[in-house]
Amino acid sequence: DIQMTQSPSSLSASVGDRVNITCRASQSISSYLNWYQQKPGKAPNPLIYTASRLQSGVPSRFSGSGSGTYFTLTISSLQPEDFATYYCQQSYGTPFTFGPGTKVDIK
Amino acid sequence: EVQLLESGGGLVQPGGSLRLSCAASGFTFSNYVMSWVRQAPGKGLEWVSGLSSSGGSTDYADSVKGRFTISRDNSKSTLYLQMNSLRAEDTAVYYCAKDRSSTWGNFDHWGQGTLVTVTS
Repeated sequence: DIQMTQSPSSLSASVGDRVNITCRASQSISSYLNWYQQKPGKAPNPLIYTASRLQSGVPSRFSGSGSGTYFTLTISSLQPEDFATYYCQQSYGTPFTFGPGTKVDIK
Repeated sequence: EVQLLESGGGLVQPGGSLRLSCAASGFTFSNYVMSWVRQAPGKGLEWVSGLSSSGGSTDYADSVKGRFTISRDNSKSTLYLQMNSLRAEDTAVYYCAKDRSSTWGNFDHWGQGTLVTVTS
């Protein structure tokens, strides 16, 4: 199985900050990497797919980059509604696996 | 608007069975791969199973293989998950997820989830 890791596991940031979350795969997954945002008690919300493509309706402050084994989710200017947990997920092959999540909270 | 509405969750004893349903609307259900993803309380996300658009191809996580069966009724736009021999570690919120296209594992819409609790 492909193992996904994320760093940091949590971070505290202020509104307006630039935030970077990294995701690593245990083997090359090309660009088959997706990002989701999840708020407490809610379903995951798709943000980015195939590493860098923005889901329809997602604000442009979210962006994704990377390929192979190293990926980054960037929030260019953190907004109050962005405080949540973020998961990466590989869709290169089954079983599809998720990273452990990065919790972003208010500093 | 795409909508996915799960149902069928509840409290069940270890060794018991449960069938989850996911009623889909707002898209041509029969054209899309569908999956189940679960989340244990306070934990991360775990892909459970996926099913091709025709229903002819399935895949499962090792943790549920041989115990869970995914199926679909395209005439009813409904996805199912039959869960047998349930264990305490199957306790989770189960989400139905639609794949973005004919490729697998790229989830663009999720249901609100249904909670399954396995306890004696």
